[in-house]
Amino acid sequence: DGGITQSPKYLFRKEGQNVTLSCEQNLNHDAMYWYRQDPGQGLRLIYYSQIVNDFQKGDIAEGYSVSREKKESFPLTVTSAQKNPTAFYLCASSTRTFSTEAFFGQGTRLTVV
Amino acid sequence: GESVGLHLPTLSVQEGDNSIINCAYSNSASDYFIWYKQESGKGPQFIIDIRSNMDKRQGQRVTVLLNKTVKHLSLQIAATQPGDSAVYFCAENMQGGSEKLVFGKGTKLTVNP
Repeated sequence: DGGITQSPKYLFRKEGQNVTLSCEQNLNHDAMYWYRQDPGQGLRLIYYSQIVNDFQKGDIAEGYSVSREKKESFPLTVTSAQKNPTAFYLCASSTRTFSTEAFFGQGTRLTVV
Repeated sequence: GESVGLHLPTLSVQEGDNSIINCAYSNSASDYFIWYKQESGKGPQFIIDIRSNMDKRQGQRVTVLLNKTVKHLSLQIAATQPGDSAVYFCAENMQGGSEKLVFGKGTKLTVNP
């Protein structure tokens, strides 16, 4: 089955640590995205990538980093510079950037302890 | 409509009734709109999309209406079922300068049996 997979589902991080969230898709999509969702809020764009080896900052990129070395993979690193990292993180992919339906993963809930 | 802070707009309907969820978008140059459904703890699921050259688009039990004059989007769900209970988000492809998909804060739909 084609789809987009995020792992882990739940992640706990100590303050001052970097953590990496995984996102893999087998839909052959060029575009991939990372969004952050806080309780009762819409989705805010962290980073996006239109093609392999290229990525762009979204609205809230500070404290995050990404890479796009393979078409299928777009991992997100939450660094210690992110002051309020506890949130629900969603990865998505689409055939064309921002102009076709995006398919979302099931999310990773990150909690700082 | 849109919410402020943590309080989502809510809509409560009886099973079998029709539901109408509304969304005001912000950019008159936006040319692509999507509705997503998000169940608790899961990633958003695509429901239906519409481009700005259309006023109406129908899917299975769902209809999206676009009124560009007043920048208003609505999602109609026919014969609402308990499984339709979720948070519904509209998103617009914001044009002008940096293109991006902007999500509203969502409306919580509760279907009472």
